[in-house]
Amino acid sequence: NAGVTQTPKFQVLKTGQSMTLQCAQDMNHEYMSWYRQDPGMGLRLIHYSVGAGITDQGEVPNGYNVSRSTTEDFPLRLLSAAPSQTSVYFCASSQETGNYEQYFGPGTRLTVT
Amino acid sequence: SQKIEQNSEALNIQEGKTATLTCNYTNYSPAYLQWYRQDPGRGPVFLLLIRENEKEKRKERLKVTFDTTLKQSLFHITASQPADSATYLCAPAPFSGGYNKLIFGAGTRLAVHP
Repeated sequence: NAGVTQTPKFQVLKTGQSMTLQCAQDMNHEYMSWYRQDPGMGLRLIHYSVGAGITDQGEVPNGYNVSRSTTEDFPLRLLSAAPSQTSVYFCASSQETGNYEQYFGPGTRLTVT
Repeated sequence: SQKIEQNSEALNIQEGKTATLTCNYTNYSPAYLQWYRQDPGRGPVFLLLIRENEKEKRKERLKVTFDTTLKQSLFHITASQPADSATYLCAPAPFSGGYNKLIFGAGTRLAVHP
């Protein structure tokens, strides 16, 4: 199993550009989440999904869109990039039972200039 | 609002000693609490989960305690090794089932010196 994969690893955008961060998992998890991590702050939830076709907002959703057409994929779209969106983005999938552990991808480091 | 506090200062200890990291939470009563390890440039990795009705949980050299009265969890690494150097995150979860909108602490960086 590849686990959770994210692409790209690094990205530089200009203010106002849009892009999609890709996330895929091969563990058949129903739950998937997007987080951002900024220096000195904990992971903050952007959007999440409890199954294909179902998404909802997290703590910091503004400026981001998601969709979940399959169990495997959960892309995050930046509509019009702003310098405040410079961050490291992590996608995670999680189990519905047991330890509810979140499996994180390797992250995407995004810089908006 | 719900808040998680972890010691923002790095914890420096000598190899072989026990490292103790603290996670304090306010304004909610978690059903369980998770601990994760994060290495530089990588995503967090799950270590342990402790439920509200458990006082202590152990896994190899790791021990976690959960005091719902003090609203605190302690994370211990015994016989610490330089390979244990990393940032450790805690994440209390409000519900026992279903999807939890986890709130992560900012983490405590542990440095184990030979």
